[in-house]
Amino acid sequence: DAKTTQPTSMDCAEGRAANLPCNHSTISGNEYVYWYRQIHSQGPQYIIHGLKNNETNEMASLIITEDRKSSTLILPHATLRDTAVYYCIVRAPYSGGGADGLTFGKGTHLIIQP
Amino acid sequence: DVKVTQSSRYLVKRTGEKVFLECVQDMDHENMFWYRQDPGLGLRLIYFSYDVKMKEKGDIPEGYSVSREKKERFSLILESASTNQTSMYLCASSWRQPTSTDTQYFGPGTRLTVL
Repeated sequence: DAKTTQPTSMDCAEGRAANLPCNHSTISGNEYVYWYRQIHSQGPQYIIHGLKNNETNEMASLIITEDRKSSTLILPHATLRDTAVYYCIVRAPYSGGGADGLTFGKGTHLIIQP
Repeated sequence: DVKVTQSSRYLVKRTGEKVFLECVQDMDHENMFWYRQDPGLGLRLIYFSYDVKMKEKGDIPEGYSVSREKKERFSLILESASTNQTSMYLCASSWRQPTSTDTQYFGPGTRLTVL
């Protein structure tokens, strides 16, 4: 799986949009971009994923650049409960093989300020 | 919504005890995973199961075993707990469909302390 680079930490004011960047310059053509987050002492939570088109769900929007070398996760109206570590990963589609565990990098610690 | 539940949020055991951690998912997922997460070491895969009674070792299976007797349930067993198995244990599940994305859904985690 391709490597990703994220800022170590970011602050955002409550109620504003939080924009979390991720660089994945070595991404392969069939690899998806996934975002997960982990609130302190809880299990990771899936947020969104995409291949090349922008995606939106009830939690967030994912903007992928045309060359697919970077992406941005957008939380449109951040709340205090969005304070968490956000992980960007890239993965190929499931190939029918064996164990394929997730590996998270260090992620971005997003702190929402009141 | 996908729901993955784990039997305990916090557990304290003594060295040498046998420990059972249970995970249940309600989405009919074929794949189930057990990870441990430690500061500075990130997420590490212990065992994986892709079907009932099927299992595969992950990156760090030593000291652990697993059981999958029913599709929705995947158990992690520490035969003789040791202090270096103090950790956060995370269960996850996903669909098993070739060429599909394999989004993994996680449980809330069990923080195990071995004294």
